[in-house]
Amino acid sequence: KAGVTQTPRYLIKTRGQQVTLSCSPISGHRSVSWYQQTPGQGLQFLFEYFSETQRNKGNFPGRFSGRQFSNSRSEMNVSTLELGDSALYLCASKTQGDDTGELFFGEGSRLTVL
Amino acid sequence: GENVEQHPSTLSVQEGDSAVIKCTYSDSASNYFPWYKQELGKRPQLIIDIRSNVGEKKDQRIAVTLNKTAKHFSLHITETQPEDSAVYFCAASRSYQKVTFGTGTKLQVIP
Repeated sequence: KAGVTQTPRYLIKTRGQQVTLSCSPISGHRSVSWYQQTPGQGLQFLFEYFSETQRNKGNFPGRFSGRQFSNSRSEMNVSTLELGDSALYLCASKTQGDDTGELFFGEGSRLTVL
Repeated sequence: GENVEQHPSTLSVQEGDSAVIKCTYSDSASNYFPWYKQELGKRPQLIIDIRSNVGEKKDQRIAVTLNKTAKHFSLHITETQPEDSAVYFCAASRSYQKVTFGTGTKLQVIP
């Protein structure tokens, strides 16, 4: 079974631009969560999608948005990029019936904002 | 919302010694407490988890304990080996809610 796949793996943007990151969960997983990882801050929760609906949302500004498609693939978008948005963005999926349980992480998309 | 605090932020131990990482949580309704290990440049992976109806769980050299009254849980690694060097994250969650992570502990095992 293929793991969680994130694209692109690396990207460089400049301030003010926008970026879209993609996440394909493990087949059969309907929950996809997004996390921002920065040194010293750990894993900060952005949002979770389940069956195309945002189920939970973290404390990030409205510049951060996401969506989930009918095939469970998810995208997150960051508009008007700021230097502080430079981070590793991780997505994680888990099984449909497992309301608590193991998160399976992708390798992440490393965003650098110049 | 849930808040998880994790200590220490860095930990150095000699190979063969034990390592202990402690976490506290704020939401008394949290009932699931996983631990993830992230090796350098790799994705976080679950190493052990515990649910609130259990006080202790062990898997070979790693164990986790949970004190619901005090709202804290700990990861214990015995007979540490160089391959245990990584960043460890604790987390807490409850049904259908987000998983909240601690800020991580960088463990260095010195050969």
